Formats: sequence, structure tokens, C-alpha cells
Amino acid sequence: KNQVEQSPQSLIILEGKNCTLQCNYTVSPFSNLRWYKQDTGRGPVSLTIMTFSENTKSNGRYTATLDADTKQSSLHITASQLSDSASYICVVSATPHSTLTFGKGTMLLVSP
Amino acid sequence: NAGVTQTPKFRILKIGQSMTLQCTQDMNHNYMYWYRQDPGMGLKLIYYSVGAGITDKGEVPNGYNVSRSTTEDFPLRLELAAPSQTSVYFCASTRTSGTSGDTQYFGPGTRLTVL
Repeated sequence: KNQVEQSPQSLIILEGKNCTLQCNYTVSPFSNLRWYKQDTGRGPVSLTIMTFSENTKSNGRYTATLDADTKQSSLHITASQLSDSASYICVVSATPHSTLTFGKGTMLLVSP
Repeated sequence: NAGVTQTPKFRILKIGQSMTLQCTQDMNHNYMYWYRQDPGMGLKLIYYSVGAGITDKGEVPNGYNVSRSTTEDFPLRLELAAPSQTSVYFCASTRTSGTSGDTQYFGPGTRLTVL
């Protein structure tokens, strides 16, 4: 069964600090891995999408890495801001069915 | 572009009632999806559509029905609402399939409570 596990479940950091969120997956055969940001009461918003051949992708202060051999990904947030407080969801797509498997998310709180 | 819009934003139903959740996208996307999100859980796929007239079941389709008569609209029908259907429902769309790497766009969600 395809699964996506995220850690930690929740995290509190001080404004201006960096943090790294983890994602392990057992989805096979792998197509792509996505990171979404979901603000409270809103729909998820795409941050990055990485295919098998990509091992890093950045979007502003967000940098995602992918190790397809170990089936692990991380999302690094640099110089955190209060607006980064949200749930961060790792999502993996498998071929050929094209549906997406969602992790439960990491809830990040950036404290002033 | 408005992107993906959903109505209503909130709804309370009594057990056994029916309702339709509306979803519209103005990006001319072929693929549309309905998910539910329960507290502390990942999004679960209910139904999806790869184009007008074509729909297929996702992971948790029981108790729901969909139709796709146009590219823009993908309504989700709840028949005989049950407390287990209390959830937040998200509609999403992509230009092509999830394996293509296309960005997936989500609507703002509908918060449904069944009492």
C-alpha cells in the first residue's frame, strides 16, 4: 500500500530561525513528489514539485530535497516568518494511476 | 482568473438529508478531484475526473456521487448524509494527470457537519 509519513507531527520555532521537515514514502513506482503549504481554513497551495531526476528545488525561502534511492524528502525553510505558520504536506504521485498519496502534514508554528 | 471556486463554504446537514457541493474552475483544466480532509489525517481522494463525461472512484467513494457534464464544473453529491461524512471537502484541478508534474490548484474548501 502506498504510504507517506511525515515528521515531526508539529514544530514550534522562533521567527528568523531555520527548520527542516521530513517526508518518507513507500509509493511505487514513483512519478513525482510535491510539497504543499496549507494555511488554517484554506486549501493547500503548491510549493514545489520534483520528479525522479531532480534532487533539489527551491521556491523563495523554501528548498525541497529528494533522495529517490532512500525514498526520503525534506523541506527546508530559511529565515522563518510568522506567515510561515501553517501545515506542510508531502504528496507523492505514482505511475500509472496518476492519483496522489497525501501525508498527514507537519504543523509549523513560528513564534515571535 | 478565479481559479477553483467552491460553494457553500459551510453547511450543517441533518442525518439522512442530501446536498450537492459545487466546484468550478476557470483554467480549462482536464483533471478535477474531490478530497475530504478529516482532523489529523491526510487528504483522501473521493472521486476524480479526467475530462467531461468521465469520472472514476478514488479511495473513499462510498456515500458520494459525481458528474462532469462540462470541463468547468464537477459537483459532488451526498445522498443520505451520515455523521461519518462530517469533514472538510476540497475540490482541486490540474491541467493533466498527477504523474505529469502539473501544479494542482485547490479550492477554499467546504466545511460540512452532519448532525
